[in-house]
Amino acid sequence: QVQLVQSGAEVKKPGASVKVSCKVSGYILTELAMHWVRQAPGKGLEWMGGIHPEDGETIYAQKFQGRVSMTEDTSTDTAYMELTSLRSEDTAVYYCAVAYCGGNCQGAWFDPWGQGTLVTVSS
Amino acid sequence: EIVMTQSPATLSVSPGERATLSCRASQSVTSNLAWYQQKPGQAPRLLIYGASTRATGIPARFSGSGSGTEFTLTISSLQSEDFAVYYCQQYNNWPEFTFGPGTKVDIK
Repeated sequence: QVQLVQSGAEVKKPGASVKVSCKVSGYILTELAMHWVRQAPGKGLEWMGGIHPEDGETIYAQKFQGRVSMTEDTSTDTAYMELTSLRSEDTAVYYCAVAYCGGNCQGAWFDPWGQGTLVTVSS
Repeated sequence: EIVMTQSPATLSVSPGERATLSCRASQSVTSNLAWYQQKPGQAPRLLIYGASTRATGIPARFSGSGSGTEFTLTISSLQSEDFAVYYCQQYNNWPEFTFGPGTKVDIK
């Protein structure tokens, strides 16, 4: 059974960068398609990007292109999400989640999810 | 972008009653629709994918239906642990995944 454990809360100043980690246990990271979803306080869920389960390509939501980078350290089965040029609107809980897709893989659902990492951007 | 809407925003239900949640897509997503449950301070949990397939370990009282643009999540007999926020998510086209704004199910 896949378990995802994320790094702890972060407080950053506007303009800084943050790197959140997601450690996989119970499975090998290279056999999973890891994605990232964020949730601003009291708000809904927003998909940021992730790895295509079939071709392994990393894709980012257009909103975050140029500011986000998703990487993996296969030696430690840890995925990372780095977000740069932080602004107050980036204050949110950031989740990693494993993506699965059906027969023709038009898209993916997410299961399971990490416990979340709160990133606060404040001067 | 496919916009997802959910209704109602809040649903007040008594334990043991049936709850019916709606999700609508701005254009057809065929059956590429998932439902998640989120409790305060917790990560979302997958309930349903493919519009109607229950995820592993999800009780049979949760059922999903619909296709195209109209979808429904039904909880046949609400238990105390079911009071939460429920989100739908469409996944009809890489790389565009969008979630609905959520329906909060609370105790009547």
